[in-house]
Amino acid sequence: DAGITQSPRYKITETGRQVTLMCHQTWSHSYMFWYRQDLGHGLRLIYYSAAADITDKGEVPDGYVVSRSKTENFPLTLESATRSQTSVYFCASSPGQGLYEQYFGPGTRLTVT
Amino acid sequence: QKEVEQNSGPLSVPEGAIASLNCTYSDRGSQSFFWYRQYSGKSPELIMSIYSNGDKEDGRFTAQLNKASQYVSLLIRDSQPSDSATYLCAVGGRSQNFVFGPGTRLSVLP
Repeated sequence: DAGITQSPRYKITETGRQVTLMCHQTWSHSYMFWYRQDLGHGLRLIYYSAAADITDKGEVPDGYVVSRSKTENFPLTLESATRSQTSVYFCASSPGQGLYEQYFGPGTRLTVT
Repeated sequence: QKEVEQNSGPLSVPEGAIASLNCTYSDRGSQSFFWYRQYSGKSPELIMSIYSNGDKEDGRFTAQLNKASQYVSLLIRDSQPSDSATYLCAVGGRSQNFVFGPGTRLSVLP
């Protein structure tokens, strides 16, 4: 099916472990985004990518790493998970940056114990 | 710091009524405006986009933009219980990432 998918949908990990969240889109959108959503903070941008091998920080990048070797994939890695990174993570894609609609994946609910 | 503000709600309206959701933004240079609907436990879903001053209608939804007042609104006519969700306002611009508002929770009462 065309669209944007995320995996896993749910993840429980321990403090200090590395975890990678996957995002895949089939629209060939150039832009991809990672957000976290927490009660009281709304959607906050972690990292975004304008194209393969081009990534940039968003509002809350600390503790996260991204890569984009292929246009369709945009994995997000928590190098050493902390409890404060417990959140719902959404990936989104768009044909462009701020002038174009963004389409969201189903989200990954991450719990760090 | 660019800000987007929305009343958190909950906004309660009876079934069949018009629901009016409001959003204000701080960056006068903003060029693009979006409304998303988010059901509990689900991801944001795009409802409408608007770029020019005035009204834009799509079915039961009307987006209204007033750049001079830095104000964008979403009207939902003939509200249904299935419209009960959180509505997110997003504001963007050329070479600018979206800034999302905190969302307004809408409850449509049968």
